[in-house]
Amino acid sequence: DQQVKQNSPSLSVQEGRISILNCDYTNSMFDYFLWYKKYPAEGPTFLISISSIKDKNEDGRFTVFLNKSAKHLSLHIVPSQPGDSAVYFCAASANFGNEKLTFGTGTRLTIIP
Amino acid sequence: ETGVTQTPRHLVMGMTNKKSLKCEQHLGHNAMYWYKQSAKKPLELMFVYSLEERVENNSVPSRFSPECPNSSHLFLHLHTLQPEDSALYLCASSQDRQSSYNSPLHFGNGTRLTVT
Repeated sequence: DQQVKQNSPSLSVQEGRISILNCDYTNSMFDYFLWYKKYPAEGPTFLISISSIKDKNEDGRFTVFLNKSAKHLSLHIVPSQPGDSAVYFCAASANFGNEKLTFGTGTRLTIIP
Repeated sequence: ETGVTQTPRHLVMGMTNKKSLKCEQHLGHNAMYWYKQSAKKPLELMFVYSLEERVENNSVPSRFSPECPNSSHLFLHLHTLQPEDSALYLCASSQDRQSSYNSPLHFGNGTRLTVT
């Protein structure tokens, strides 16, 4: 049973618009959430994170929102740029641990010029 | 060279072969990981090493055998694999295995393994 779910395998967004990637989780013990970005033929790279004591974290064009009651988080990218085209993985951990990091299946984002 | 380097990038092996995947990190991290990524599945943690000691083994079949000779190097020895073991194998490192808060994982580019 998948504890971290990304229900949209793919998403296409016009350049300059907002991209919203969603992630749902089932384990109420998760207290730290991360987003990773992956280009083809490369490994995932860390993008942004949020702990359960916050509901929003912003880093430049990237903002992550956490709704603990709904067990839902989202990544907003605005404005979207062609270089944002990649696969985005949501991940969650309990007790902030790296060795118990649980990943989603990823969402492929395509930015249309 | 910086970051996490994996070799080879691609590997095709028969079911009776023995091969090894290599990972090297140049970040001074204390923890190293092997992950498996199969098509349309989440990344699956296979092994965790912290300060060269194995601390996690997620019920991985014995045909996968990890080795961590020092904090910078990690190997995954493969033998008698099955076609369903074909996947992308990713190595990662972090400063501390117990806290992703200040120590997110840094991944290598992976080895694409095909078992025929």
